[in-house]
Amino acid sequence: GENVEQHPSTLSVQEGDSAVIKCTYSDSASNYFPWYKQELGKRPQLIIDIRSNVGEKKDQRIAVTLNKTAKHFSLHITETQPEDSAVYFCAAPHTGNQFYFGTGTSLTVIP
Amino acid sequence: DVKVTQSSRYLVKRTGEKVFLECVQDMDHENMFWYRQDPGLGLRLIYFSYDVKMKEKGDIPEGYSVSREKKERFSLILESASTNQTSMYLCASSRSRVRETQYFGPGTRLLVL
Repeated sequence: GENVEQHPSTLSVQEGDSAVIKCTYSDSASNYFPWYKQELGKRPQLIIDIRSNVGEKKDQRIAVTLNKTAKHFSLHITETQPEDSAVYFCAAPHTGNQFYFGTGTSLTVIP
Repeated sequence: DVKVTQSSRYLVKRTGEKVFLECVQDMDHENMFWYRQDPGLGLRLIYFSYDVKMKEKGDIPEGYSVSREKKERFSLILESASTNQTSMYLCASSRSRVRETQYFGPGTRLLVL
């Protein structure tokens, strides 16, 4: 969506390395930022989210950081494994119940 | 566990045909959404509904309409299918609060010849 920019569009890392995906948004009133993972041929599923009252959230090997001043948030995956290979989407709230989704990052973890 | 189902995984239609895509959720969610997913463009919102018989246009509503007669069911209608509507269509649902997780269906891959 035009109000959410996501980079990079593709990312290849060696197994065990870290991967970072960044999204920027435009609406300063946004206060909830989810990340979805879509494996090949499957539906997108939420993997982690963050609300604007915190700057970082971790869940095992994945973490999300939020910089409200700069209006960007990032997904960090540490100790990557082949099963982390997927397309990752960020999202930010739009008006009402809508979300803008980023254009996706295709992550490949090379064994 | 939330379950969102879509009527078809694959569809092949001809230009000019009327196409119905159906989505059903079993978690009593108020909000339902239709997206299309195209390579390099991510997920783009076509229409959404926050209540029975209510609908709102998303970013790309042209050529589509929707129907929500029952809370659990949200239909996407292509009145006269065109080749540029060949895409993956994803349905999603969420609870009533604005900042909530969306649960997606498995998708319908539509090919318009």
